[in-house]
Amino acid sequence: KAGVTQTPRYLIKTRGQQVTLSCSPISGHRSVSWYQQTPGQGLQFLFEYFSETQRNKGNFPGRFSGRQFSNSRSEMNVSTLELGDSALYLCASSLVWDRERNEQFFGPGTRLTVL
Amino acid sequence: QQQVKQSPQSLIVQKGGISIINCAYENTAFDYFPWYQQFPGKGPALLIAIRPDVSEKKEGRFTISFNKSAKQFSLHIMDSQPGDSATYFCAASSNYGQNFVFGPGTRLSVLP
Repeated sequence: KAGVTQTPRYLIKTRGQQVTLSCSPISGHRSVSWYQQTPGQGLQFLFEYFSETQRNKGNFPGRFSGRQFSNSRSEMNVSTLELGDSALYLCASSLVWDRERNEQFFGPGTRLTVL
Repeated sequence: QQQVKQSPQSLIVQKGGISIINCAYENTAFDYFPWYQQFPGKGPALLIAIRPDVSEKKEGRFTISFNKSAKQFSLHIMDSQPGDSATYFCAASSNYGQNFVFGPGTRLSVLP
């Protein structure tokens, strides 16, 4: 069974640009969460989608947005990139929207570098 | 109040020894506490999780101890192996869903 896949794996952008990251959850999984991981701030929750609806949102500016499609695939978008947006962006999927009944499987992440 | 504190930042243990990582939280609304293991170049993987109505949970060599009154919980890795060398994160959540607050991580090195 294939794991969570994220594309691209590496990305280099310049300040002011925008970027779209993609996440394909494990087949059958309907919940997708996004996290930002940096050496300084650690792992921080961005948002979570279930059945194409955003269920939870972390404390990030509106430049960070996401969506989920009917096939559960998800994208996140960062507009007007800043140097501080350089990070590993992790996607995680789980079967349903319930943290206790379903393990959250993480993808390998997309390494974004903003120059 | 949303913060989860974690110590130590790094830990070196001999093979066969016990690795202990501690976490503390302030938000009494937190009611679910998972631990994640992350290897370089990989995403975090769930190790074990606990709810505050249980004081201890064991899965294989991994044990979570939970002290609700002190708002602290810890991960014990018994008979530590070089393959356990990774970064460990504690986390906490108060809502249904997967929006966890993570600790800063502990880099564990198990020497052969």
